Amino acid sequence: EAQVTQNPRYLITVTGKKLTVTCSQNMNHEYMSWYRQDPGLGLRQIYYSMNVEVTDKGDVPEGYKVSRKEKRNFPLILESPSPNQTSLYFCASTLSGMSSYEQYFGPGTRLTVT
Amino acid sequence: AQSVTQLDSQVPVFEEAPVELRCNYSSSVSVYLFWYVQYPNQGLQLLLKYLSGSTLVKGINGFEAEFNKSQTSFHLRKPSVHISDTAEYFCAVSGRSNYQLIWGAGTKLIIKP
Repeated sequence: EAQVTQNPRYLITVTGKKLTVTCSQNMNHEYMSWYRQDPGLGLRQIYYSMNVEVTDKGDVPEGYKVSRKEKRNFPLILESPSPNQTSLYFCASTLSGMSSYEQYFGPGTRLTVT
Repeated sequence: AQSVTQLDSQVPVFEEAPVELRCNYSSSVSVYLFWYVQYPNQGLQLLLKYLSGSTLVKGINGFEAEFNKSQTSFHLRKPSVHISDTAEYFCAVSGRSNYQLIWGAGTKLIIKP
């Protein structure tokens, strides 16, 4: 089954404790992206990757890191999480970076930073 | 640059009644337009998209949307809603030569029995 998986689905952590949210897709998509979803703000892009070893900042990259060592995986790293990073995070992938293509979303990771 | 405004944060509607979810956009260039749906505790999935051609676009689950260039709108409609349509609906836009989707704030569709 074609899908995007994220782990963990729920995470509660404390300020400053490094964490990684994993994202994996099995569709051989080139383009992958991380979003955060906050009430009343819709989705905002954090980082995206056009292909292996090619990443770039989205609209809200501060406090986040990413890497793309393999085509299927695109982990999101929070080196020192803060309470303002409490949010719902989505990973998405698409065949190509062209915006006309459908984006496929993971199920989301709900992060709470206390 | 593009921007998207979804005019209603919530739309309550009785089951089997018609519904319209409104989306307006602004852009200085030609655009692609999308509606995505997010069911409770799930990720988003594509409902429909407008790339070119006919301005009336049909999507999954009986939804359709009409692109109106003069009014810069892309409203989503369904003639008869069901309880299973309870979800949050997001409108998104992108320029035709860039890669980034710009998202609206979302509209929650609340179905009343």
